[in-house]
Amino acid sequence: EDKVVQSPLSLVVHEGDTVTLNCSYEVTNFRSLLWYKQEKKAPTFLFMLTSSGIEKKSGRLSSILDKKELFSILNITATQTGDSAIYLCAVPSLSGGGADGLTFGKGTHLIIQP
Amino acid sequence: SQTIHQWPATLVQPVGSPLSLECTVEGTSNPNLYWYRQAAGRGLQLLFYSVGIGQISSEVPQNLSASRPQDRQFILSSKKLLLSDSGFYLCAWSGRGGTSYEQYFGPGTRLTVT
Repeated sequence: EDKVVQSPLSLVVHEGDTVTLNCSYEVTNFRSLLWYKQEKKAPTFLFMLTSSGIEKKSGRLSSILDKKELFSILNITATQTGDSAIYLCAVPSLSGGGADGLTFGKGTHLIIQP
Repeated sequence: SQTIHQWPATLVQPVGSPLSLECTVEGTSNPNLYWYRQAAGRGLQLLFYSVGIGQISSEVPQNLSASRPQDRQFILSSKKLLLSDSGFYLCAWSGRGGTSYEQYFGPGTRLTVT
């Protein structure tokens, strides 16, 4: 059974700090790893990673994948209160029916204090 | 651009009552469609996925069912709700084939069974 473990489960930092969120995975047939940000409602897509060592970057957010050690990290620099959210990591799990459901970790609840 | 709608946004139902949640997607054809549930303290769990009209696969045994009467419509139903059905229900879509692993989520329905 595919598995995704995120750490820490919750994190409280001050505005301006840099944070690193961790995601480790066990998957039978690895294709990619995805990061989402969930505020009050729907998760919104951040990154998809397929290759080791290639950093994906969007503004103050960046992410990298290590396929040998089976983990990924999400970095947020110069945090702002608007970064407060649950950050979810997921991997596609081969469902055998032509669609790949995502197996999610429990998420990291990040709180940025002013 | 693609848009995904879900309704209702919130729902309070008594135990034993029926359920119907609807999801529609605009701006894309032949999407893969998914239903997830997010229960308190747990990660997002895949419930059903569909690769086409009338084609439904279930990931976990439960008293819920899903149907896809039209290409861009996905419905989640129950004949008799249980307390354990409470949670946040999310519909998602993804493109077909290739490396389209990203899934895009609707706004969700928060269901409370009393």
